[in-house]
Amino acid sequence: DQQVKQNSPSLSVQEGRISILNCDYTNSMFDYFLWYKKYPAEGPTFLISISSIKDKNEDGRFTVFLNKSAKHLSLHIVPSQPGDSAVYFCAASAMRYRDDKIIFGKGTRLHILP
Amino acid sequence: DVKVTQSSRYLVKRTGEKVFLECVQDMDHENMFWYRQDPGLGLRLIYFSYDVKMKEKGDIPEGYSVSREKKERFSLILESASTNQTSMYLCASGPSSGFPSEAFFGQGTRLTVV
Repeated sequence: DQQVKQNSPSLSVQEGRISILNCDYTNSMFDYFLWYKKYPAEGPTFLISISSIKDKNEDGRFTVFLNKSAKHLSLHIVPSQPGDSAVYFCAASAMRYRDDKIIFGKGTRLHILP
Repeated sequence: DVKVTQSSRYLVKRTGEKVFLECVQDMDHENMFWYRQDPGLGLRLIYFSYDVKMKEKGDIPEGYSVSREKKERFSLILESASTNQTSMYLCASGPSSGFPSEAFFGQGTRLTVV
């Protein structure tokens, strides 16, 4: 039973436009959410995170939005660049409950089109 | 700069062999993780360790065991390798709860069992 769901396996976006990647979760104990980016043959690299006490966190071109009532978060990338083509993983943990396991979704492959 | 180092980038092993995947981190992190990544399945947690000699099963522990004798080293053991354990294996480390933070990944080990 998946606790973190990324329902879009892939997404194509024109260079310069906004990329929106979505993620849903089922475990109401999750209180910390992360996005990772992964290129082929490399380990995932951390992109941005958000605590459940916030509903938005911004870092340069990347913004994560959290809707706790809907158990939904999204990653916005604007403007999208060719180097953003990668697999993006949404992840969650329940740190307030001292459960440090980080649970990942299946990932969304983002293609930035020239 | 955090470094998580996995001992091999590529491994080929025979069915039935005992396989050791080693991971070392240099940031004095309490938590260490082993994941496997498979197409369409994302990153699945195999085992998690929150302290020396402490471990917790993740979502797919069957066929695997782990060892954490020293804080910086976390080993994944395939007791008797099978072809369905052919995968990309990713090790990660992170600080313990109370300090919401990301996990840092190694570069991955692509294991092929023939």
